[in-house]
Amino acid sequence: GAGVSQSPRYKVAKRGQDVALRCDPISGHVSLFWYQQALGQGPEFLTYFQNEAQLDKSGLPSDRFFAERPEGSVSTLKIQRTQQEDSAVYLCASSLIGNGYTFGSGTRLTVV
Amino acid sequence: GQQLNQNPQSMFIQEGEDVSMNCTSSSIFNTWLWYKQDPGEGPVLLIALYKAGELTSNGRLTAQFGITRKDSFLNISASIPSDVGIYFCAGQGYGNDMRFGAGTRLTVKP
Repeated sequence: GAGVSQSPRYKVAKRGQDVALRCDPISGHVSLFWYQQALGQGPEFLTYFQNEAQLDKSGLPSDRFFAERPEGSVSTLKIQRTQQEDSAVYLCASSLIGNGYTFGSGTRLTVV
Repeated sequence: GQQLNQNPQSMFIQEGEDVSMNCTSSSIFNTWLWYKQDPGEGPVLLIALYKAGELTSNGRLTAQFGITRKDSFLNISASIPSDVGIYFCAGQGYGNDMRFGAGTRLTVKP
């Protein structure tokens, strides 16, 4: 596609509910990143894929967070048993190789 | 948490004025990037810097990669109302992830 597409744009979840956030990267982009952006803060790195391989997941805050990219294109970030501190904007970015990341518009998750 | 110290946190300026913001880090980076984020959108890349000492311009924007590789600045000349937004610096080391500053919120008064 022309840009990085994320869905849903907004998600309200009750505490304890599981959520799944989707990212459609730019076609052909090898690298895919997930970032978490709390209100009034800069994005913080969560995890990185090169094709279908998850090469770095050091930023995932707990084992409730899980990301996958099984066919090397679309990626899903799953959060189990959501808690209020998970409320944030989740940004996905993709790039061919190295620099020149293109970000999606993000999914705003609110846990109530 | 954030590894980059970005200043100032916010700026209120008059249209036509020049703007300067900077970012410092305790770590060395191989690449410095500057992004702008509008409400409800993801960050958009403005300028990328790949070499210590590099000075790069993009229209009214000028950015420099510090000699120590631990800092960078962004200047905006002759600001206009559409410059309003949040500006983020980001540093990239040998890994693939970028580390972001907390942002500079720019308000331009017409």
